Amino acid sequence: RKEVEQDPGPFNVPEGATVAFNCTYSNSASQSFFWYRQDCRKEPKLLMSVYSSGNEDGRFTAQLNRASQYISLLIRDSKLSDSATYLCVVSPNFNKFYFGSGTKLNVKP
Amino acid sequence: NAGVTQTPKFRILKIGQSMTLQCTQDMNHNYMYWYRQDPGMGLKLIYYSVGAGITDKGEVPNGYNVSRSTTEDFPLRLELAAPSQTSVYFCASSPGHNTEAFFGQGTRLTVV
Repeated sequence: RKEVEQDPGPFNVPEGATVAFNCTYSNSASQSFFWYRQDCRKEPKLLMSVYSSGNEDGRFTAQLNRASQYISLLIRDSKLSDSATYLCVVSPNFNKFYFGSGTKLNVKP
Repeated sequence: NAGVTQTPKFRILKIGQSMTLQCTQDMNHNYMYWYRQDPGMGLKLIYYSVGAGITDKGEVPNGYNVSRSTTEDFPLRLELAAPSQTSVYFCASSPGHNTEAFFGQGTRLTVV
């Protein structure tokens, strides 16, 4: 079983739409959770960390459900510039980050 | 502020050749990582280091070697290149345990 699983998409949405991605992880002892954004042929960059209580950064909201072992990312009022691949990242206690294969988002005019 | 710098950006190798991918960071981070990313896939950890003189295997270490003689540098060595090693390689660093990782711009390697 993969450490981290994501729906690859693509999610094709119009500008202004709300879109949500989920990601499941297999290691119940995982301690840290992140969403990274990766533009085509570029390096991943941190979008936001995911805290147990959930957190919001502008149009982006991340949630963690430890009981069901999944994290989610909600994007409100989608912009063309949000088009990218979103990588779910989970870190257990021993200095490693496990990446999902990413969910591709296309925001259309 | 350079962050994480990888060289070269692109390279074509013949089967059986060897090369070293360079990675250096100027943020004084203890933790450094090497990942590979195949098309349409997530990143897979090759090797990581928690400090100078300490390295450990990740998920896919076969065919690679690393060293960490200084805090700044974490080179990745391919000894006998194989077509299966065609990939994009990312080096990353982080300041501590379970904190954000900062990535270099990647090295696109093709083995023919």
